[in-house]
Amino acid sequence: QSALTQPASVSGSPGQSVTISCTGTSSDIGTYKLVSWYQQHPGKAPKLLIYGVSQRPSGVSDRFSGSKSGNTASLTISGLQAEDEADYFCCSFAGSSPYVFGTGTKVTVL
Amino acid sequence: QVHLQMSGPGLLKASQTLSLTCTVSGGSLTSGSHYWSWIRHRPGKGLEWLGYISETGGSYFNPSLRSRLSLSLVTSENQFSLSLRSVTAADSALYYCAREWEGAYDSWGQGVLVTVSS
Repeated sequence: QSALTQPASVSGSPGQSVTISCTGTSSDIGTYKLVSWYQQHPGKAPKLLIYGVSQRPSGVSDRFSGSKSGNTASLTISGLQAEDEADYFCCSFAGSSPYVFGTGTKVTVL
Repeated sequence: QVHLQMSGPGLLKASQTLSLTCTVSGGSLTSGSHYWSWIRHRPGKGLEWLGYISETGGSYFNPSLRSRLSLSLVTSENQFSLSLRSVTAADSALYYCAREWEGAYDSWGQGVLVTVSS
């Protein structure tokens, strides 16, 4: 099972919105609604931001939102803040594998 | 809030067996609806799902590791463990334990950096 494809980096100024794409196949993102997103600061454990494509766990800011279209999922960070500078990665259920992760995206706040 | 604390050696020699343990606090291994999982991040590569074990002991593995990987539960200690046999340098990675819920990982261990030397 190949990794999901994410851009290596995205950047934005404080207050702007950035969107991170996560491209898979019809065997994972295209079929299942089990897409999740994580934020990871250096030296820290990952933090769940989005599950079930677009659901936010309790305590996660509503500046983070998720969506899916076809084989591609997206995470949008609205109102970008300095604390959002981190690595982000996606994950999808993939049936027999059964989970596949994205390649990871570094978000830089300019 | 569930907390996962990992333990295990960080340095191994090739052909040895990697053993890692994840101790769960603030919740029970048998609280239901969760799968206790292992994930690793190898240098220069993305995250890789290794496998999970359910509260009843049923397990499922990444096909690429199935022949070398074992997972177990010690419910009395609220712990779950990973055993990876015949390690090579390619198994050097940052290993995580995590709790799966609704197809996502809502709690993670702190990570253990494992280095395999030849």
